[in-house]
Amino acid sequence: AQTVTQSQPEMSVQEAETVTLSCTYDTSESDYYLFWYKQPPSRQMILVIRQEAYKQQNATENRFSVNFQKAAKSFSLKISDSQLGDAAMYFCGASGSRLTFGEGTQLTVNP
Amino acid sequence: GAVVSQHPSWVICKSGTSVKIECRSLDFQATTMFWYRQFPKQSLMLMATSNEGSKATYEQGVEKDKFLINHASLTLSTLTVTSAHPEDSSFYICSARAIQVIRVTEAFFGQGTRLTVV
Repeated sequence: AQTVTQSQPEMSVQEAETVTLSCTYDTSESDYYLFWYKQPPSRQMILVIRQEAYKQQNATENRFSVNFQKAAKSFSLKISDSQLGDAAMYFCGASGSRLTFGEGTQLTVNP
Repeated sequence: GAVVSQHPSWVICKSGTSVKIECRSLDFQATTMFWYRQFPKQSLMLMATSNEGSKATYEQGVEKDKFLINHASLTLSTLTVTSAHPEDSSFYICSARAIQVIRVTEAFFGQGTRLTVV
């Protein structure tokens, strides 16, 4: 079984500030990836960042970084220096043989 | 990143007819494709996983006779909604994934198809 849970339906942040989106997961697979995707109003899914489960080092992509706690099955996304263009729905995903997503977090960036 | 093309972007069909949605990986070979359904302001619900040359694996609660998935080649998968009804109206998204020699890569998404059944 594989489940992904995002407990924050909505989050807001001031422009230039930092925000953290939470995600927990559960999987029976030993080899898996974790992802954060954003979905703007166009509904095109855009990869933000990914983490290989076998790597202990947290992934970083420019202003985006993750806090991967494997034992706790936690995978949070930190967005630094938030920009207006970061406003979107963010989905946390887990991928082994299947790719499943959490409920999503709607991020609003206030100017 | 790699490109996944989904067609059509939107379609309106009459109740009782069938609709086919295509998902193509344009510049890589997709050994696995995923099909999702998404209601407004909700998450992507995985419908089925298809591996090239094999029968699709459907998620619990998804009618395999209603949502026919074919993955006959490494660049094309199709979803056919048979005998469509208004409750099948939704946004359908495909995703394609390539398997590298050792590790799984990220999945790339199509633009989605908005299906309206009248």
